[in-house]
Amino acid sequence: GIQVEQSPPDLILQEGANSTLRCNFSDSVNNLQWFHQNPWGQLINLFYIPSGTKQNGRLSATTVATERYSLLYISSSQTTDSGVYFCAVLTQGGSEKLVFGKGTKLTVNP
Amino acid sequence: GAGVSQSPSNKVTEKGKDVELRCDPISGHTALYWYRQSLGQGLEFLIYFQGNSAPDKSGLPSDRFSAERTGGSVSTLTIQRTQQEDSAVYLCASRRYMVTEAFFGQGTRLTVV
Repeated sequence: GIQVEQSPPDLILQEGANSTLRCNFSDSVNNLQWFHQNPWGQLINLFYIPSGTKQNGRLSATTVATERYSLLYISSSQTTDSGVYFCAVLTQGGSEKLVFGKGTKLTVNP
Repeated sequence: GAGVSQSPSNKVTEKGKDVELRCDPISGHTALYWYRQSLGQGLEFLIYFQGNSAPDKSGLPSDRFSAERTGGSVSTLTIQRTQQEDSAVYLCASRRYMVTEAFFGQGTRLTVV
């Protein structure tokens, strides 16, 4: 089945710094989502981005489907950005499972 | 409601007891998923429902786990004879058919003592 790998596994930043999180996937997909899991465990939708680039405030994401990767950019990081960031892709053909990477744990220090 | 709703938010149960977890998806969403997340771990797929099709149960870890979806809406995940290793957060998600963005509920934190 499709494999999803995220890097780095852990990231520690000072408030105000920028960061880039990466998501690689093993098969061609036409869908990809980024989620932020907050300290209370809830998964918050950040981006649905099968291809191209989207921006939402200090966050932006780019997916290059032909090269099987997606990037999440966080600019001017804040302590509230801390948490775990997951990317997920939907398998196609047959059962449509959401397959998740193992996540990037981000800690932003004041 | 506007989002996926799960209940209870927290459940503490004694080892060997049965528990039922409930998920109320977003109205009109025909696809529904259950995932499990153990402490500090990633998301483990459990089961997937799509409309009236037979569910994909390939992620259920043992025959103590079962799930049903009544009327194509509310889903219940049942764990029989709970064990301590069942302690985890159980997350439910839903999405529209043919639209692939999924939305998650707030989860049920299950603790087996």
